[in-house]
Amino acid sequence: GAVVSQHPSWVICKSGTSVKIECRSLDFQATTMFWYRQFPKQSLMLMATSNEGSKATYEQGVEKDKFLINHASLTLSTLTVTSAHPEDSSFYICSAVGGRANTDTQYFGPGTRLTVL
Amino acid sequence: TQLLEQSPQFLSIQEGENLTVYCNSSSVFSSLQWYRQEPGEGPVLLVTVVTGGEVKKLKRLTFQFGDARKDSSLHITAAQPGDTGLYLCAGKNQAGTALIFGKGTTLSVSS
Repeated sequence: GAVVSQHPSWVICKSGTSVKIECRSLDFQATTMFWYRQFPKQSLMLMATSNEGSKATYEQGVEKDKFLINHASLTLSTLTVTSAHPEDSSFYICSAVGGRANTDTQYFGPGTRLTVL
Repeated sequence: TQLLEQSPQFLSIQEGENLTVYCNSSSVFSSLQWYRQEPGEGPVLLVTVVTGGEVKKLKRLTFQFGDARKDSSLHITAAQPGDTGLYLCAGKNQAGTALIFGKGTTLSVSS
């Protein structure tokens, strides 16, 4: 139990286009989902906290108009990178809080590799 | 701002050696988690420690939470090539559920 999926697992796009990444909790309801960004050989950087039915809370330095987050249901959150540029290329990882074993544990998705040409 | 200092950042050892990774902070955490991440995948939770002084063992891995809940360590005995990966510590602040991650330790175990 407590499985989180992400789609797509990797995406390559042209500069200026928008890319949507989905994060789903497959077997539990997640009231909170987190979005992280990770550069090669570096740690995870929290981008935003997403609560179902409300606006996301963005970390300092993260542009909310560029990284649009929608948490429409208890099992789905989406991150849209708008007008992507090469510097947005990164590994994007989501996590969800919930699960039967521990409602406070974060379960991570497998990540989405974004490459902007 | 709560920070977690993780060391060493990189570690390259031979199979059979022991190693310890440290995670330190000047702040108190309600709990601390250790993750292992392989390239191109998301982090996988290894253990959560919540009580000061707590020691947990997972096969050859031993995790310890400091008495004051400000630091933690991960000790691996007789490392194997399969232990290769990025090890991350992450603390949960007392105010909410956001995880604060250390910078990670990249471990390479060669046979």
